[in-house]
Amino acid sequence: AQSVTQLDSQVPVFEEAPVELRCNYSSSVSVYLFWYVQYPNQGLQLLLKYLSGSTLVESINGFEAEFNKSQTSFHLRKPSVHISDTAEYFCAVSVPHSGSARQLTFGSGTQLTVLP
Amino acid sequence: KAGVTQTPRYLIKTRGQQVTLSCSPISGHRSVSWYQQTPGQGLQFLFEYFSETQRNKGNFPGRFSGRQFSNSRSEMNVSTLELGDSALYLCASSPTSSTSNTQYFGPGTRLTVL
Repeated sequence: AQSVTQLDSQVPVFEEAPVELRCNYSSSVSVYLFWYVQYPNQGLQLLLKYLSGSTLVESINGFEAEFNKSQTSFHLRKPSVHISDTAEYFCAVSVPHSGSARQLTFGSGTQLTVLP
Repeated sequence: KAGVTQTPRYLIKTRGQQVTLSCSPISGHRSVSWYQQTPGQGLQFLFEYFSETQRNKGNFPGRFSGRQFSNSRSEMNVSTLELGDSALYLCASSPTSSTSNTQYFGPGTRLTVL
């Protein structure tokens, strides 16, 4: 079975400062990795994903995440945050090429609050 | 393309009642999954449907059931509602390409059980 740990439940940061949201996973097989963002009273929006290839993946709104197989991590970073980035962020994994390929296992979430 | 749609957005029920939630996937997506989100348990997988067949099921009691229609629309049903069933229920659809397990979520249905 897979598990995901998001080490920080709350991350406050000032506007225009850099931020890193940490995600570690546990799995005995290869996984796909995802970051989703949830704004208040909304569903989950896909932020970025790692399926294979380059270990550094980027989103269109300035976030990036790096897959580190040896450390089983997939931390999310942004060099300069905006007030509008305030939201809850979820890290998730799935196991490709399996009967449960479309079953996401989520971390507990990290509430990012950007302060003016 | 239109995104995943879920109806209704909000529901209030009382204990013992049953409820049916609906989900329309992104056009062309044939896989639909359901998740429950609560403050205490977080996001938990309920089940996945593909081509009208349940392909995978999470660890939930039999009161939780679902189905999928030939147009890929899906419904989930919860019978004999309990207070603990109060949650945001999220539906996600996925393309069936073997190279991508990416799931796209709807806005959710907020169920309150009184």
